[in-house]
Amino acid sequence: SQELEQSPQSLIVQEGKNLTINCTSSKTLYGLYWYKQKYGEGLIFLMMLQKGGEEKSHEKITAKLDEKKQQSSLHITASQPSHAGIYLCGAWPPYFGNEKLTFGTGTRLTIIP
Amino acid sequence: EPEVTQTPSHQVTQMGQEVILRCVPISNHLYFYWYRQILGQKVEFLVSFYNNEISEKSEIFDDQFSVERPDGSNFTLKIRSTKLEDSAMYFCASSDFQPAYNEQFFGPGTRLTVL
Repeated sequence: SQELEQSPQSLIVQEGKNLTINCTSSKTLYGLYWYKQKYGEGLIFLMMLQKGGEEKSHEKITAKLDEKKQQSSLHITASQPSHAGIYLCGAWPPYFGNEKLTFGTGTRLTIIP
Repeated sequence: EPEVTQTPSHQVTQMGQEVILRCVPISNHLYFYWYRQILGQKVEFLVSFYNNEISEKSEIFDDQFSVERPDGSNFTLKIRSTKLEDSAMYFCASSDFQPAYNEQFFGPGTRLTVL
């Protein structure tokens, strides 16, 4: 089965600083998603990556998928209080037609003034 | 912007009671899912539903669980006889096309507390 490990588990960052969250897969990733979850709330879609070496940006958040498609990173530039929350990576298993999204362990991000 | 909605936001029940969690997926979506998240743990897949039948389910989704799309808009998760370990946040999700490589839109969740 597909396992996703995220690091760090929690992160406390001063407002305005940059940060990076990593997601590592035990198997080749065929589609990697990043979601954000505020405590007690639903999951908000951030980005999806499919191709090795792919990089996408939205506002101050950039996500990359490595060439081997086993690791992804999420980078936030000039962090703001609105970035606080739990970041989850999610992945499809490596065969078409399966509908089960497997999630990582999550990274809890706290932004301090 | 269309969104997935879930009711209730919080459900408290006694062990052994039946609960029904309700979801209204995005209107033109065809694939529907339930996930759960026990406090402090990963979000886990429970079941996927397409064309009025279960297309995939996890080992968590045993005989105590059932799903239904009773009309054109609602998608429900029923737990027949709740256990303490069913306490969790339950998320409904939907997607439009073939799920692989397409975004699943998640609802805000229902927090189920079993006493």
